[in-house]
Amino acid sequence: QITLKESGPTLVKPTQTLTLTCTFSGFSLSTSGVAVGWFRQPPGKAPEWLALIFWDDDKQYSPSLRTRLTITKDTSKNQVVLTVTDMDPVDTATYYCTHRRGTSWYYFDYWGQGALVTVSS
Amino acid sequence: DIQMTQSPSSVSASVGDRVTITCRASRNVNNWLAWYQQKPGKAPNLLIYGASSLETGVPSRFSGSGSGTDFSLTISSLQPEDFAIYYCQQGHSFPFTLGPGTRVDIK
Repeated sequence: QITLKESGPTLVKPTQTLTLTCTFSGFSLSTSGVAVGWFRQPPGKAPEWLALIFWDDDKQYSPSLRTRLTITKDTSKNQVVLTVTDMDPVDTATYYCTHRRGTSWYYFDYWGQGALVTVSS
Repeated sequence: DIQMTQSPSSVSASVGDRVTITCRASRNVNNWLAWYQQKPGKAPNLLIYGASSLETGVPSRFSGSGSGTDFSLTISSLQPEDFAIYYCQQGHSFPFTLGPGTRVDIK
């Protein structure tokens, strides 16, 4: 059974860096074709895709946030980490970690419960 | 980026009604289209992928169709647990983009 869970701070100040950890089980990020992604969802809005990391350490980022995002993986710990620099109140959102369905598609079949992050001084 | 639009933005319907939601992509995404259902306080749940393939465990009253730029999600007989927000997502090219959502409310 695949599960994912996000962890990190619930409150960050403007200009600070957000670090979120996704801890997963039920699959391995060293298996060919596997990928883990991050989305965020501001209150009352649609989800927004942020980043994706593949089993071979290839990475893709949202162009609009590329300069502020870093995604990394620790295969031995079954974790994926997302950092977002220079946080702003508009970055207030629920951040989700997700598992890519299959090995060649870009749909997301398992999602974590989400981590609400508020940006405020 | 590929822009995704949905219509209507909200629909009020009764249990047993047939409901259809449409999604349009700003350019051809072939059949690289998914539909998600989201209930309050919960993460999105994958319903349909590849425009028309039903995800495992999803009731057969849900169906998807379309290709290219125009897609639809149909709920053949609305059930109480189907009242939620529905999003389409294109998986054709980076960055993946989602529509603004369609809220299905109880009439």
